Amino acid sequence: DIQMTQSPPSLSASVGDRVTITCRASQNIRNYLNWYQQKPGTAPKLMIYLASSLQSEVPSRFSGSGSGTDFTLTITGLQPEDLAIYYCQQSHSTPPTFGQGTKVEIK
Amino acid sequence: EVQLVESGGGLLQPGGSLRLSCGSSGFTFSSYRMTWVRQAPGKGLEWVASMNQDGSEKNYVDSVKGRFTISRDNAENSLYLQMNSLRAEDTAVYYCARDVRWYWFDPWGQGTLVTVSS
Repeated sequence: DIQMTQSPPSLSASVGDRVTITCRASQNIRNYLNWYQQKPGTAPKLMIYLASSLQSEVPSRFSGSGSGTDFTLTITGLQPEDLAIYYCQQSHSTPPTFGQGTKVEIK
Repeated sequence: EVQLVESGGGLLQPGGSLRLSCGSSGFTFSSYRMTWVRQAPGKGLEWVASMNQDGSEKNYVDSVKGRFTISRDNAENSLYLQMNSLRAEDTAVYYCARDVRWYWFDPWGQGTLVTVSS
């Protein structure tokens, strides 16, 4: 199975800050990498697919990059409503696997 | 609006069985692969099972193989998860999700809680 490792496990940032979350795959997954946002008490929501494609209706302050084994989710201009846990997930092979999550808190 | 609504969760003892359901609306159910993902309390996400549009292809995470069965009824726009020989470690919120492409999950239902405890 492909292991997905996210860092940091948590972060605290101020409104307006630029926030970066990294995700590393244990083997080459090309660009088959998705990002989900899970707000407290709710189901996950697909934010970015194929590493850098923004899902419809997702604010443009969210962006993704990377290929191969190293990927990044960036929030440019953090907003209070971005409080959530963010998960990366590889869709390269079965079983699809998730990172352990990065909790984003607002200072 | 695309919607998924899970039901069937509950509290049961180890070794018990439970069948989860996921009703869908707002899209052509029979055109999509469907998936179950679970989340243990306070933990991350774990893919459980997926199946293709006509049910001819099913995949499971190793920890549930032989105990869980994913199925669907395209006429009823519904997805199911039959869970047998339940263990404490199966305790989780179970989400159903539409598989937009190969393992892109969107949207997700609100989840149903399964608690396995003596």
